[in-house]
Amino acid sequence: EAGVAQSPRYKIIEKRQSVAFWCNPISGHATLYWYQQILGQGPKLLIQFQNNGVVDDSQLPKDRFSAERLKGVDSTLKIQPAKLEDSAVYLCASSSLNVRGGTEAFFGQGTRLTVV
Amino acid sequence: GDSVTQMEGPVTLSEEAFLTINCTYTATGYPSLFWYVQYPGEGLQLLLKATKADDKGSNKGFEATYRKETTSFHLEKGSVQVSDSAVYFCALRRRDYKLSFGAGTTVTVRA
Repeated sequence: EAGVAQSPRYKIIEKRQSVAFWCNPISGHATLYWYQQILGQGPKLLIQFQNNGVVDDSQLPKDRFSAERLKGVDSTLKIQPAKLEDSAVYLCASSSLNVRGGTEAFFGQGTRLTVV
Repeated sequence: GDSVTQMEGPVTLSEEAFLTINCTYTATGYPSLFWYVQYPGEGLQLLLKATKADDKGSNKGFEATYRKETTSFHLEKGSVQVSDSAVYFCALRRRDYKLSFGAGTTVTVRA
């Protein structure tokens, strides 16, 4: 079974530029998560989708971050304009649903963003 | 809101030593609990899980028991190896599938 795919693996941009990250979840997984992991910290949930609907985006800085999941499969996360404090690893994860409450989340390798 | 708190690191051990990483949670209802591991340069991997009270998750010699009475899910391994050096994250998943992580504990095992 193919895992969660993310691209790019690394990205360096200047502040005020824009950047986009792409995620392809495991086939059939209804739930998709985007996390931000700053060096030395635990992952922080940015947005959670169930199919193509947003379940939770309470911690997404909506003035600069946006995300979409068209057709309930692939997802993109965009930052515009980027700030220095956005330097982090952006993790995508997916999980399936079942009548007993779902399975664990599987994570991609992440995209390491450096804003200079 | 729902959250997990895990012991701060870093933790440095010698090979074959006993490892414990404490994790406590705050949640409404009955969340599922997980330990994830992040090896250097790699992504997050599920180490073990427990979905209800008194469940014991185990994998690769690691164990953790879901203790509802103490709201805890401590990770233990009886004899660590150098290859266990990694960052360990305790996590909680609510029934709406929201998944929250602790801050992580860095473990270094010396030969």
